[in-house]
Amino acid sequence: NAGVMQNPRHLVRRRGQEARLRCSPMKGHSHVYWYRQLPEEGLKFMVYLQKENIIDESGMPKERFSAEFPKEGPSILRIQQVVRGDSAAYFCASSPTDDRLNTEAFFGQGTRLTVV
Amino acid sequence: GENVEQHPSTLSVQEGDSAVIKCTYSDSASNYFPWYKQELGKRPQLIIDIRSNVGEKKDQRIAVTLNKTAKHFSLHITETQPEDSAVYFCAASPSGGSNYKLTFGKGTLLTVNP
Repeated sequence: NAGVMQNPRHLVRRRGQEARLRCSPMKGHSHVYWYRQLPEEGLKFMVYLQKENIIDESGMPKERFSAEFPKEGPSILRIQQVVRGDSAAYFCASSPTDDRLNTEAFFGQGTRLTVV
Repeated sequence: GENVEQHPSTLSVQEGDSAVIKCTYSDSASNYFPWYKQELGKRPQLIIDIRSNVGEKKDQRIAVTLNKTAKHFSLHITETQPEDSAVYFCAASPSGGSNYKLTFGKGTLLTVNP
């Protein structure tokens, strides 16, 4: 099992460009979570998705950010018209179920976005 | 919403000593409290977690205690080793939502000096 795979590991974008971050959950996992980590800060929840459904996007900025988890393929976090304040590490986590008896979330290695 | 405070922000100990990191939370309905270890440039990794129906949990050199009344929980690492050096994050699961809608503390940079 390759674990949660995120790519790219590092992404540099100029202000105004779009950033697309990809996350492939662990095999057998159908729940995906995106977190953002600013420098020297803890992780902040952004969005929780299941296949083809956004379950909770309460942590997503209202504009420019969107996420999807299609029936086939990885989950995508899209940031349009990036600004310098979007520079951060974006972590994806996955789990097989939301069952409260089996709750460990496995994190990917993260994508470090730098906006120049 | 939930708010998690973590202290200290940095902690330096000598190899073999114990390290204690403390967190408080605000939402009395939170019921799941994991601890993550993050080495520089790497992913957060779960090291131990505790649910609100227990007061203490231990796994070898690592233990976590929970005081629901006071709304605080602590990580204890005994016989520290240099490889324990990392940033440690506590987290709490807020009420009414997925266990993965975690609210994290700001982290503690633990340095274990040989």
